Amino acid sequence: IVLTQSPGTLSLSPGERATLSCRASRSVSNSYLAWYQQKPGQAPRLLIYGASSRATDIPDRFSGSGSGTDFTLTISRLEPEDFAVYFCQQYGNSPWTFGQGTTVQIK
Amino acid sequence: EVQLVESGGGLVQPGGSLRLSCAASGFTFSTYWMSWVRQAPGKGLEWVANIKYDGSEKYYVDSVKGRFTISRDNAKNSLYLQMNSLRAEDTAVYYCARRTPGAFGYWGQGTLVTVSS
Repeated sequence: IVLTQSPGTLSLSPGERATLSCRASRSVSNSYLAWYQQKPGQAPRLLIYGASSRATDIPDRFSGSGSGTDFTLTISRLEPEDFAVYFCQQYGNSPWTFGQGTTVQIK
Repeated sequence: EVQLVESGGGLVQPGGSLRLSCAASGFTFSTYWMSWVRQAPGKGLEWVANIKYDGSEKYYVDSVKGRFTISRDNAKNSLYLQMNSLRAEDTAVYYCARRTPGAFGYWGQGTLVTVSS
């Protein structure tokens, strides 16, 4: 399954809402879709799994939605620490695959 | 606290071999599937391999099948990746990750593998 993320780069200001898209080339089984955040020089951090469940200690400004082939990560109000790269990943079908990433940068 | 610490990366010539290790702590290692994920410099993430909690099932991305072998030693709380016939395109940071339960809930800090002459 090929995952295509859009946009490639999102330029926003702190306090604004961010909407990131992840589209799959075919349906993701059981909505086994995850979102990760990665900052420079760091390992990725799991934000969302099962398309909409927040991982441990993830703030509620992060939310995930979608099913089938279309998924969305929403950050309701951007905090300074949220500017990073975000990846989606499907784990419903082997081989597990990642999207190419969306960079959320400060406008 | 869950901790995953990779080691074993370095510079290797094309065609060479390298063995990566991942030391796990802070959880019952023998009850979790484990994985390796890599990231080429400046690029995205690529899943490499999975291993079942008891080592009885292993899965690989096509690009490493027949060259890489994932294994584990539950008595030592350790995960391994034996990499043979290395190519330039295998150059990446290799992360050890714990599945929670399907997604990658915990990651190590990564170890850099550079394949170059």
